[in-house]
Amino acid sequence: GNSVTQMEGPVTLSEEAFLTINCTYTATGYPSLFWYVQYPGEGLQLLLKATKADDKGSNKGFEATYRKETTSFHLEKGSVQVSDSAVYFCALMGSYQKVTFGIGTKLQVIP
Amino acid sequence: GAGVSQSPSNKVTEKGKDVELRCDPISGHTALYWYRQSLGQGLEFLIYFQGNSAPDKSGLPSDRFSAERTGGSVSTLTIQRTQQEDSAVYLCASSPTDRGTDTQYFGPGTRLTVL
Repeated sequence: GNSVTQMEGPVTLSEEAFLTINCTYTATGYPSLFWYVQYPGEGLQLLLKATKADDKGSNKGFEATYRKETTSFHLEKGSVQVSDSAVYFCALMGSYQKVTFGIGTKLQVIP
Repeated sequence: GAGVSQSPSNKVTEKGKDVELRCDPISGHTALYWYRQSLGQGLEFLIYFQGNSAPDKSGLPSDRFSAERTGGSVSTLTIQRTQQEDSAVYLCASSPTDRGTDTQYFGPGTRLTVL
């Protein structure tokens, strides 16, 4: 079956540091890939997505590139802010619209 | 416009009782999903509805769990004879269609605590 593996947190960074959260996946066919974010006390919301190989999703300074050859969708941001502190979930949608989520990575940005 | 809403926001129940969780999707969205978010286990797919088609129940963890969607809109997730391991946040999401490229919009969740 499909699976998503992402680094377990928590990840603690200083403000303006570079962020990478790794995500790799296993799936048949050509899944769509997503990053969702959950801010403290709020619901899950889509951060970015990519629907085919080599696509780059971007939003709010975050980027992730769909790499079929390495089955990866790593999340990056050049300069994190305190307001980026949240839990980040990598996810894929495979056949029959089933979505598989990673375990979530908690990011803490300190001033 | 209004987002996905869920009720109640919190539910505390005793082991063995039945509970019903409600989800109101975004108007016009044909696809509706239920997930469970347990501590340390990430998000787990439970069930998926697409329009009036038979739902995909493959993620339901046991026959104590069931869900229905009336009129292609509101959905109710029912857990019978609750157990302590059912304690989790239950999330509902909807999307405009069932295309794999569609964004899912999540509700705030219902936190279920089984004592």
